[in-house]
This record gives sequence, C-alpha cells and structure tokens, in this order.
Amino acid sequence: EVQLVQSGAEVKKPGESLKISCQGSGYSFDTYWIAWVRQMSGKGLEWMGVVYPGDSDARYSPSFEGQVTISADKSTNTAYLHWSSLKASDSAIYYCARLSKPRFYGSGSYPDYWGQGNLITVSS
Amino acid sequence: DIVMTQTPLSLSVTPGQPASVSCKSSQSLLHSNGKTYLYWYLQKPGQPPQLLIYEVSNRFSGVPDRFRGSGSGTDFTLEISRVEAEDVGLYYCMQSVQVPPTFGGGTKVEIK
Repeated sequence: EVQLVQSGAEVKKPGESLKISCQGSGYSFDTYWIAWVRQMSGKGLEWMGVVYPGDSDARYSPSFEGQVTISADKSTNTAYLHWSSLKASDSAIYYCARLSKPRFYGSGSYPDYWGQGNLITVSS
Repeated sequence: DIVMTQTPLSLSVTPGQPASVSCKSSQSLLHSNGKTYLYWYLQKPGQPPQLLIYEVSNRFSGVPDRFRGSGSGTDFTLEISRVEAEDVGLYYCMQSVQVPPTFGGGTKVEIK
C-alpha cells in the first residue's frame, strides 16, 4: 500500500526556519517524483514544486522559486520542504503527493497519492 | 499559466440525485500525443485531496462508477449520477498539459 506520512503541525514565529518532511512507503520511493502543494486557509490548491528522490533534482513553480527549498533523501525515503525565514503569509496546510508515472515529470504528470498534510502556523 | 475555471462555486444536492461540476481551461488540454491531461480530485472535509478521475474520463482505483468524467479541448464535466452523503467536499479539476500543473478554484458539494 502506497503511503506518504508527513511530519506534524508546527507553530513558528516570523523569521524562524522550518523543515517539514514526507516519508514514503509501499513503493520504490526513489523512482517517483514528489510534489509539494500549498493550501491557504479556505483557499484552493497551489503547486509549489517537485523533487526526484533518485538524484534530488528539484523544480520550482515561479511563484515559489527562491521562497522555499525542496529536497529529498532516498536513503530514508523522505522528501523535505524548507523555509529559511518564515513569514506570516506562509501559514497554510502543505501537502506532499506522489506523481503517478515513475521517473517522469512533465506533461501528463499528476498526483495519485497524497500525504495527510502539515498545518503550519506562523504568528508572532 | 493555464487558468482553470470551475462552476458552480457550490451546489446543494438531495441524496440520490445527480450533480454536475464544470471546468473550463484557458487553453486546450489536448497534447500532441493525442491524450488530454485533465484530472478531478475530491477533498473531503479535513482530509487531503484524493484522485477521482485521470485523463478526462478514467476512474482511479476504487472510485465508484457513479463518478463520470467527460469533455474535450477546453470544456470538461464531472458528473455524479446519484449523490451519496460521503460525496460531500470540495471538487477540484487540474490540468497538466503544461507544467507546473494548475488547479481550478474548487466546487463545494453539500447535501440538502
């Protein structure tokens, strides 16, 4: 059974750093791209970027380039989303999701399995 | 970026009755390989999104056959033949003919 288990909710202050995680199981983690998707309170879904655990190749959506760092460690089947300096506007739920086609990211890529989400609250 | 527009924003349905959600894209989702890259997700309250339909009309594993996707080019529809209580939530369409993928704004389905 494919599972993606995310680290827990976090409460942080503006300016602090944060790294959240997404651990996969039930499949060959290093051969499927992992996406990160943001959902701000009461809002829709926004694609942040992806990472290929096989070689840690990361690609970012223009809106999130330079705002976060996406990485992966294939030895622990874990993908990460990192902020070096949080802002209040980073408060949201963050989901990781596996992309359906092994070794491929491009036209026709889509998430088939999702993590449970990380609620991140940034407040002074 | 391809803009995905869903209508209606919300609908309230009597159990056992049909429901329909529309999704329109700002550009054709037909790829040069002949496939159309349009997907439907359901986000139940307090849960992550779950895949319902891929490539316009293919139901994902375990999805009941009361869910049906259709459409082509820029106009797509998700139909639920007989709504059940467990179908409540937010429905999102997503395109991936162009990456990064983009989502519609969502349609909230409630039970009367």
